[in-house]
Amino acid sequence: DQQVKQNSPSLSVQEGRISILNCDYTNSMFDYFLWYKKYPAEGPTFLISISSIKDKNEDGRFTVFLNKSAKHLSLHIVPSQPGDSAVYFCAASAIRGGGADGLTFGKGTHLIIQP
Amino acid sequence: DSGVTQTPKHLITATGQRVTLRCSPRSGDLSVYWYQQSLDQGLQFLIQYYNGEERAKGNILERFSAQQFPDLHSELNLSSLELGDSALYFCASSRGAGYSPLHFGNGTRLTVT
Repeated sequence: DQQVKQNSPSLSVQEGRISILNCDYTNSMFDYFLWYKKYPAEGPTFLISISSIKDKNEDGRFTVFLNKSAKHLSLHIVPSQPGDSAVYFCAASAIRGGGADGLTFGKGTHLIIQP
Repeated sequence: DSGVTQTPKHLITATGQRVTLRCSPRSGDLSVYWYQQSLDQGLQFLIQYYNGEERAKGNILERFSAQQFPDLHSELNLSSLELGDSALYFCASSRGAGYSPLHFGNGTRLTVT
């Protein structure tokens, strides 16, 4: 049973426009959410995170939104740049509930930025 | 550079064999995590160690084991290898104090023939 779902395997966006990547989760114990970016032949790189006490967190061109009632989060990249082309993973963890610190990952969305 | 070092980068071995993957965490990080990424699969959590002790177990097979040493480096041992064990194995580390992100190494690609 997939607890973290990224329903779009790929997404194509024009350079300069907004990229919106979506993620849904089913486990209501999750209270810490992260986005990672991954290039081929490299490990995932941490981008941005949000805890469940917030509904938005911003870091430069990256903003993560959390909708707890819908169990949904999204990553906005504005403006999109060619170097943003990569696979993006959504991940979640249940910290406060005493669960493992290990993250549960979605299967990823391949973002392609077109010139 | 995440600061997490994994060796070797590539490993090719035969079915039935045993291998050891090594991970050095970022300086100051107490937690080490192991993940497996197979073809068409996401990152599957295997096991976590915190300051030398096992803290959490995920989908780790009984043929697999891990440990974290006093200097905080970790090893993942895979034995009686099967073709299906071919995958990318990632190590990650964190401060281990709750709401802190994991930082990943570049992985070891294991091929079982």
